Amino acid sequence: EIVMTQSPDSLAVSLGERATINCKSSQSLFYSSKNKNYLAWYQQKPGQPPRLLIYWASTRQSGVPDRFSGSGSGTDFTLTISSLQAEDVAVYYCQQYSTPPSITFGPGTRLEIK
Amino acid sequence: QVLLQESGPGLLKPSQTLSLTCVVSDDSFHIGGFYWSWIRQHPGKALEWIGYIHYTGTTYHNPSLQSRTSLSVDTSKKQFSLRLTSVTAADTAVYFCARLRGVTASFDNWGQGTLVTVSS
Repeated sequence: EIVMTQSPDSLAVSLGERATINCKSSQSLFYSSKNKNYLAWYQQKPGQPPRLLIYWASTRQSGVPDRFSGSGSGTDFTLTISSLQAEDVAVYYCQQYSTPPSITFGPGTRLEIK
Repeated sequence: QVLLQESGPGLLKPSQTLSLTCVVSDDSFHIGGFYWSWIRQHPGKALEWIGYIHYTGTTYHNPSLQSRTSLSVDTSKKQFSLRLTSVTAADTAVYFCARLRGVTASFDNWGQGTLVTVSS
């Protein structure tokens, strides 16, 4: 099973500042046959289901503000919020898909306002 | 925006079988590129994928739960179901159903989740 880790566990950032969350997988998530990294990012607010932000490591889901961006390849990935807004307070999870079909999530990073 | 709605009992006793159903609002249920999934979240914890089913009936399970889980689909009702046998307190969690988009391997629509508590 691919193990996902995230850092930091929690993060406090001032409004308008940049927030950076890291995700690392125990195996490469790059599939050369598809030229894609199967890594997604989600945002979860209290009492709500997760919301898909990013797929293929760097493609924003429709409707997601462009202050959210994803980067990375292979085993190391980053979610960046370029200018933190109050509504971005949430827990953020990364998720991998691998074959045979197997899906695991990272442990989450809690983002707060400083 | 497709809507998914979970239903099922909120309270079970140890050793009982958990049964949940998820109804899908639109005809994406019958599109080959989507997979209908169950994910759970223990209180205050991370997300755990349970398994998913295609509308054709093909299933994939998390190996850690495979011996206790079964998935089924009712295409006429656009719904899919989860059965988890021999529950214990460790199965207490919020259970989400979600749509996995195959080409992106990501969950693009989620139900609101239903809390299942296992307690004697």
